[in-house]
Amino acid sequence: RKEVEQDPGPFNVPEGATVAFNCTYSNSASQSFFWYRQDCRKEPKLLMSVYSSGNEDGRFTAQLNRASQYISLLIRDSKLSDSATYLCAKGGGADGLTFGKGTHLIIQP
Amino acid sequence: GAVVSQHPSWVICKSGTSVKIECRSLDFQATTMFWYRQFPKQSLMLMATSNEGSKATYEQGVEKDKFLINHASLTLSTLTVTSAHPEDSSFYICSVSSSYNSPLHFGNGTRLTVT
Repeated sequence: RKEVEQDPGPFNVPEGATVAFNCTYSNSASQSFFWYRQDCRKEPKLLMSVYSSGNEDGRFTAQLNRASQYISLLIRDSKLSDSATYLCAKGGGADGLTFGKGTHLIIQP
Repeated sequence: GAVVSQHPSWVICKSGTSVKIECRSLDFQATTMFWYRQFPKQSLMLMATSNEGSKATYEQGVEKDKFLINHASLTLSTLTVTSAHPEDSSFYICSVSSSYNSPLHFGNGTRLTVT
């Protein structure tokens, strides 16, 4: 089983809608989880860290469910500019991060 | 501003030649840098961990004699793709972390095309 798995999509969502997607992981020893955003042919950029208590940054909310071993990302009031690939990642420290393949999100006008 | 600077952004080279990619940590000293590779529609795959002043640690399946890593200072790591072949064409990205369990910051990546 891959360490980090995501539904690749694409998810086609109308502008203004709320969209959420999950990422499942194995090897629960990982302590740190992150969501990254990657635009076509660009490097990933950190969107937000994911904390056990859940955290929110503007229209974005991240949740971590250790019992079920998944993290989620919710985007409210989606904008056209939210169209991108969203990568979840786990790990950190001296071992670097392990990434999922990414979920492709398309916001439609 | 940018935390990590990576050069070149893209390079096209002929099969059999070698290409050097530089990665600089701009905001802090990095004893560890990570080199990733991403093929089209694939996830980022860790190639190797670059350690300042010591040998790099390579992931399984990555040839250390083909992908030479030098981490000569706390702000600079280089990856040299030796005797490049078309199958080495990929997006190479370096990254650094400011501290344990902190997220990685990525360079802008190098798109390598080997003809």
